[in-house]
Amino acid sequence: GAGVSQSPSNKVTEKGKDVELRCDPISGHTALYWYRQSLGQGLEFLIYFQGNSAPDKSGLPSDRFSAERTGGSVSTLTIQRTQQEDSAVYLCASSLVALGNTEQYFGPGTRLTVT
Amino acid sequence: AQSVAQPEDQVNVAEGNPLTVKCTYSVSGNPYLFWYVQYPNRGLQFLLKYITGDNLVKGSYGFEAEFNKSQTSFHLKKPSALVSDSALYFCAVRIQAAGNKLTFGGGTRVLVKP
Repeated sequence: GAGVSQSPSNKVTEKGKDVELRCDPISGHTALYWYRQSLGQGLEFLIYFQGNSAPDKSGLPSDRFSAERTGGSVSTLTIQRTQQEDSAVYLCASSLVALGNTEQYFGPGTRLTVT
Repeated sequence: AQSVAQPEDQVNVAEGNPLTVKCTYSVSGNPYLFWYVQYPNRGLQFLLKYITGDNLVKGSYGFEAEFNKSQTSFHLKKPSALVSDSALYFCAVRIQAAGNKLTFGGGTRVLVKP
């Protein structure tokens, strides 16, 4: 079946602009996660959604970052007033449920470059 | 706080030789441990996981990992490496009590030479 998809695959933006990154999880997966992969920080958790529960936003690095998940499916990660340190690959993952023993399936990522 | 360490930035091995990628963890509860592999310009692919039970777990592509509670380790192994195994490998830990996020190690680049 189809895996996790993300768009765009690459995004170049100017410092100060807002960007939106999209994630389509695997159909039927109730949990959705965002991570960031950068050279200096490795792989970092950002936020996760589970069903209709309030999202865990504990990994968001600043209030310029926000995410929403509409209809329990597609998610959008928004970065406002982008800074150069936001340059990274943003990875989305989904899992059947948000339980510790279920593996997460990752999308190919969106490479964000802030100039 | 939970943490994962992968002490080797890179591992070089000749094709056909055994491959080991090391991982140690630090958690306060019972860990769920995972290995993922990342090929160039690709997302992470799940290899295997340890939840409970047998300490030796088998996964995709001939990989296996051994959970050692006393040494807090979860090393990834493959008896005979292939050139196609060259990639970036990540160990991760997850504790449900701490939320369902994954905490990753820094990654180990594996280079298998023909």
